Amino acid sequence: DAKTTQPNSMESNEEEPVHLPCNHSTISGTDYIHWYRQLPSQGPEYVIHGLTSNVNNRMASLAIAEDRKSSTLILHRATLRDAAVYYCILRGARGAGSYQLTFGKGTKLSVIP
Amino acid sequence: EAQVTQNPRYLITVTGKKLTVTCSQNMNHEYMSWYRQDPGLGLRQIYYSMNVEVTDKGDVPEGYKVSRKEKRNFPLILESPSPNQTSLYFCASSFGTSGRANEQFFGPGTRLTVL
Repeated sequence: DAKTTQPNSMESNEEEPVHLPCNHSTISGTDYIHWYRQLPSQGPEYVIHGLTSNVNNRMASLAIAEDRKSSTLILHRATLRDAAVYYCILRGARGAGSYQLTFGKGTKLSVIP
Repeated sequence: EAQVTQNPRYLITVTGKKLTVTCSQNMNHEYMSWYRQDPGLGLRQIYYSMNVEVTDKGDVPEGYKVSRKEKRNFPLILESPSPNQTSLYFCASSFGTSGRANEQFFGPGTRLTVL
């Protein structure tokens, strides 16, 4: 199964942009790249996902390398509420109509006021 | 309000005493799954279900059972719990596997302690 590698932790100042990297060198052609985050004492929360092209939504942007072996989650202006563990996840295909999410260890983002 | 609910939220039990953790979603989602979260190991998938009466093993299915008799419910059953099943458990659901439908909604978690 394709795995992801993320830094264990990162820090950011409030209201500054944050770039969270993820390496997935063994990604297959049909794997989607998903990002979730988990705030303290809560279940994971969907952030964004993409396949090949860069993606934007109201929460973040996802930049995917041309060879798809790495991606970067971009928070444009970090707030204290963005302090969480961010997971880079590959969604593979396992049989018709099924899917598998493989969670990495995640990056703990601290936001400094 | 669209949500995934789990019960109980906290449970302390003893080795060998059968227990069930319930999971229910009100979004008419086809896909549901269970994860456990342990320090240093992140989230690992236990079982998942593609639809009613269709279930399959995830990465760590040993010691667990599931059933999907109704679309909205996906209970996790521990027939004979052991201390190594002490963990934080999350249920999740989604519409399907393509594009936006693949967003998973997670429940609030169930913290289980097996003595």
